[in-house]
Amino acid sequence: QSVLAQPPSVSGAPGQRVTISCTGSSSNIGADYDVHWYQQLPGTAPKLLIFGNTNRPSGVPDRFSGSKSGTSASLAITGLQAEDEADYYCQSYDSSLTGFVFGSGTQVTVL
Amino acid sequence: QLQLQESGSGLVKPSQTLSLTCAVSGGSLSSGGYSWSWIRQPPGKGLEWIGNIYHSGTTNYNSSLKSRVTISVDKSKNQFSLKLSSVTAADTAVYYCARDSPGIPFDIWGQGTMVTVSS
Repeated sequence: QSVLAQPPSVSGAPGQRVTISCTGSSSNIGADYDVHWYQQLPGTAPKLLIFGNTNRPSGVPDRFSGSKSGTSASLAITGLQAEDEADYYCQSYDSSLTGFVFGSGTQVTVL
Repeated sequence: QLQLQESGSGLVKPSQTLSLTCAVSGGSLSSGGYSWSWIRQPPGKGLEWIGNIYHSGTTNYNSSLKSRVTISVDKSKNQFSLKLSSVTAADTAVYYCARDSPGIPFDIWGQGTMVTVSS
């Protein structure tokens, strides 16, 4: 069972906005550790999508945005495109486990 | 451009030791500020951080795997390695190596290598 909880799946029509939640606790997100997000296309390695809660690496479209509040974080995808169909994972650090932790993953489907 | 490439045995018998290597190209593993991680993903499941190592040799391990994991670095070959002992079927997964630095984690990944534990 993952330390960071995500919904198993979300879906939306092309052009719509979808959000993915990442719920943690006082030993990870709530302890002010940064949250990062990864996109994993089928059969490929994960790719860094958002780092430091809100920052996009070079080359990541501004349709992707991240936020954090309290013990939770969210990833928003606006203007959903077919190419956004993938699994998305949040990630942070946990002080109780003294290590990096990942969310359970969310599959995004474009209807 | 920095690239990572995993290699090692794709099939390991139960109770034996899994051994993988991650070769770093296009840059030096000894570059300051970075750590080098192993992450795995069982078929159809999520990601699990295994541990990391700095070029100094300092290591950190996932507490749930700590008793079975050893990560080492070979600066002369610009590579780092993973050993996981006493494997079971639950250790069957795609194993990735990745680079991370403070504030910008896991920004570069290898393509991953599938390891199956089976007799």
